[in-house]
Amino acid sequence: AQSVTQLGSHVSVSEGALVLLRCNYSSSVPPYLFWYVQYPNQGLQLLLKYTSAATLVKGINGFEAEFKKSETSFHLTKPSAHMSDAAEYFCAVTNFGNEKLTFGTGTRLTIIP
Amino acid sequence: DARVTQTPRHKVTEMGQEVTMRCQPILGHNTVFWYRQTMMQGLELLAYFRNRAPLDDSGMPKDRFSAEMPDATLATLKIQPSEPRDSAVYFCASGFIGETQYFGPGTRLLVL
Repeated sequence: AQSVTQLGSHVSVSEGALVLLRCNYSSSVPPYLFWYVQYPNQGLQLLLKYTSAATLVKGINGFEAEFKKSETSFHLTKPSAHMSDAAEYFCAVTNFGNEKLTFGTGTRLTIIP
Repeated sequence: DARVTQTPRHKVTEMGQEVTMRCQPILGHNTVFWYRQTMMQGLELLAYFRNRAPLDDSGMPKDRFSAEMPDATLATLKIQPSEPRDSAVYFCASGFIGETQYFGPGTRLLVL
């Protein structure tokens, strides 16, 4: 069985500050990991994904995430927050040969002007 | 730019009525998923298909929900009869095994 835990259902950062959204996973096989973003009244959009290549993954809009097997983590970061980053962020896990994504409960990111 | 499309985008109906939601997956994708999103439960997987065959519908209330793929370009999710607790946003997504799922914009359902 696979699972994802997102620590912090709400995170607030000031504009220009570092964004750090936490994701820890549990998987008995090598995982594939994803970060999705959901803007208000829209569907989920892929930010980035890890599928066993480079452990530091760069995504859209300046986001990146690092796969750390020893910590079973896949935290999402952005050096400088922008007002347009305000959204809900979901971490998800699957593995090779598996169709189903297991999603975390989401983290709502608020940017303070 | 290929996208998943969903219709209708919004639906308001009365309790007991049938609701049909439609999804056009991205051409060539062989897996299609239906999700439901609510404030209380978050994102829940209702059912999914591979090559049009239903693989798992364990997330759906069997007595009132049904999901089908009449052809490769259309997936449907039906609720009959609808209940107020079915009010939610329903998302369709398509993709390939172990790969990115591409989400549609969702159908926002309100059952009065």
